[in-house]
Amino acid sequence: DTGVSQDPRHKITKRGQNVTFRCDPISEHNRLYWYRQTLGQGPEFLTYFQNEAQLEKSRLLSDRFSAERPKGSFSTLEIQRTEQGDSAMYLCASSLGGSGANVLTFGAGSRLTVL
Amino acid sequence: TQLLEQSPQFLSIQEGENLTVYCNSSSVFSSLQWYRQEPGEGPVLLVTVVTGGEVKKLKRLTFQFGDARKDSSLHITAAQPGDTGLYLCAGASRDSNYQLIWGAGTKLIIKP
Repeated sequence: DTGVSQDPRHKITKRGQNVTFRCDPISEHNRLYWYRQTLGQGPEFLTYFQNEAQLEKSRLLSDRFSAERPKGSFSTLEIQRTEQGDSAMYLCASSLGGSGANVLTFGAGSRLTVL
Repeated sequence: TQLLEQSPQFLSIQEGENLTVYCNSSSVFSSLQWYRQEPGEGPVLLVTVVTGGEVKKLKRLTFQFGDARKDSSLHITAAQPGDTGLYLCAGASRDSNYQLIWGAGTKLIIKP
């Protein structure tokens, strides 16, 4: 297993465009998390899945953001009508459930720049 | 609202020196974790502490969870340039529905 993979690593887009990020978690992990991180800050929780079910979504998450994990394996995070304030690193992490739920393995992130 | 405050925000020291960084809160956490993040990468878990007063050592790094489980410290002995990075603490509690609450990090630079 190669760990958590994220694609693309970097994305530059113009304001108003849609972008989609993909995350492939560690195969035996049933939990998958999306975080956003801006410079000088810690990760900010966006949403998480247990298998294919989206169990929690941050109240800070705009309705322009949507995440899916259709088969309980990889996940996608889509941002519609991007704004400059969406520029950030988008981090994906996975974990086991139960007592291992907070032992997160992060991917390298997808850095978004909105011009 | 649960917050984790990390201090200092930034620390730059010479190789061989010792240092301590702190993670403080007014809330009680059931567990607290420390991560190190390098530029362009995701955070990597270093340690999880769960018991008040617990001390864990990872080579030259010593982690302590406060007796009241509201704070934690990370002490590095004889710092090396490879220790450079952003050190993040994250805590979980029943109040956070066991989702991790993150501090803003301490950016550490070790100069050779």
